[in-house]
Amino acid sequence: GAVVSQHPSRVICKSGTSVKIECRSLDFQATTMFWYRQFPKQSLMLMATSNEGSKATYEQGVEKDKFLINHASLTLSTLTVTSAHPEDSSFYICSAPPRGGSVGYTFGSGTRLTVV
Amino acid sequence: DQQVKQNSPSLSVQEGRISILNCDYTNSMFDYFLWYKKYPAEGPTFLISISSIKDKNEDGRFTVFLNKSAKHLSLHIVPSQPGDSAVYFCAAPGRFRDMRFGAGTRLTVKP
Repeated sequence: GAVVSQHPSRVICKSGTSVKIECRSLDFQATTMFWYRQFPKQSLMLMATSNEGSKATYEQGVEKDKFLINHASLTLSTLTVTSAHPEDSSFYICSAPPRGGSVGYTFGSGTRLTVV
Repeated sequence: DQQVKQNSPSLSVQEGRISILNCDYTNSMFDYFLWYKKYPAEGPTFLISISSIKDKNEDGRFTVFLNKSAKHLSLHIVPSQPGDSAVYFCAAPGRFRDMRFGAGTRLTVKP
């Protein structure tokens, strides 16, 4: 089945630094990738949608300049958290929409970001 | 706007018994619904889905029921096993194919 590889799985960074999270579709081409964030004991909330070759679309309240999304190829989408602050500490997950007749979306394994 | 809602944050059942996880939705335009299972520090994994034109879908120990008039769906797991312990999310595809998740229900199956 479709696999989305997400790295790193866990990262701790100092406040003010930037962190890049990568999601790769291993055996298929993903023209679209969704980026979610999950705070403790809360649901997954959509942050933005990345589309290969075009600008990402952001959900209301998500800062475009803070969460930079790049989808330069059909197999790689990246999320960069710029000038990270402790309140950005969260679990970030990418997801590719289903292919063919499938309805299940494929999720990466997630990245636990801790900003100290 | 929380279009998909799971009002029970947790559920505890005994091994071998039935687990029933509930979900309500507000958008009658959803074409289908999905259930995902999630372990800590991992991404969600797809479990089972149901089309809006059906009222039941069964896959092994997992059955999802849809009541469109009540805008309610439920996931039944029988018999429940300790390995089923996880957080279960109800979800539906949004307008732009993103996934709208409920808040999740943490299921604990006790041996």
